[in-house]
Amino acid sequence: AQKVTQAQTEISVVEKEDVTLDCVYETRDTTYYLFWYKQPPSGELVFLIRRNSFDEQNEISGRYSWNFQKSTSSFNFTITASQVVDSAVYFCALTHTSGTYKYIFGTGTRLKVLA
Amino acid sequence: SAVISQKPSRDICQRGTSLTIQCQVDSQVTMMFWYRQQPGQSLTLIATANQGSEATYESGFVIDKFPISRPNLTFSTLTVSNMSPEDSSIYLCSVEVTGMNTEAFFGQGTRLTVV
Repeated sequence: AQKVTQAQTEISVVEKEDVTLDCVYETRDTTYYLFWYKQPPSGELVFLIRRNSFDEQNEISGRYSWNFQKSTSSFNFTITASQVVDSAVYFCALTHTSGTYKYIFGTGTRLKVLA
Repeated sequence: SAVISQKPSRDICQRGTSLTIQCQVDSQVTMMFWYRQQPGQSLTLIATANQGSEATYESGFVIDKFPISRPNLTFSTLTVSNMSPEDSSIYLCSVEVTGMNTEAFFGQGTRLTVV
């Protein structure tokens, strides 16, 4: 079975603090993709990153960084020097490469960045 | 990439009525997906819609309640039938664009309130 767990329901930080959002996944597939999406209050889903299972390199994009560790089945997301505009719900998702590319979403982490 | 337009963006409907949500993509795509996001919850896949064939529904969703049309490679509709307050959710259309940077693109969602 495939599953994505985001144990942190809600996180509040003060602006400029660093924050890490956790994502743990389960899958029997050897080839799969992991994603992070941002959902601001307006409701649309904004793609942040895609990682395939063969690429464990960590990635940094501006203030965002991602740590993918297959050994612990985790794909954590860190925002450095958080800003109020980072306030949103963040979803981690998993899809496999066979069949219909069905996405399995975690329950999301609501991040509140306080000024 | 793909740009997805969903209509309507929001609606308030009376119980017992039906609402049809439209999803238009700016390029031809093989598979389109419909998701439901209940208040404060994650995204749940309703069905996968391929052009020229019947939609494939996930467990817990049935065609009589959520009929889907897919008349061509750029358009799909989802109807929420005989609505009840429990159907109040955000409904999102999504497409998968295969390629080197495969990711799912999402429409802005339809925020439905049933009263």
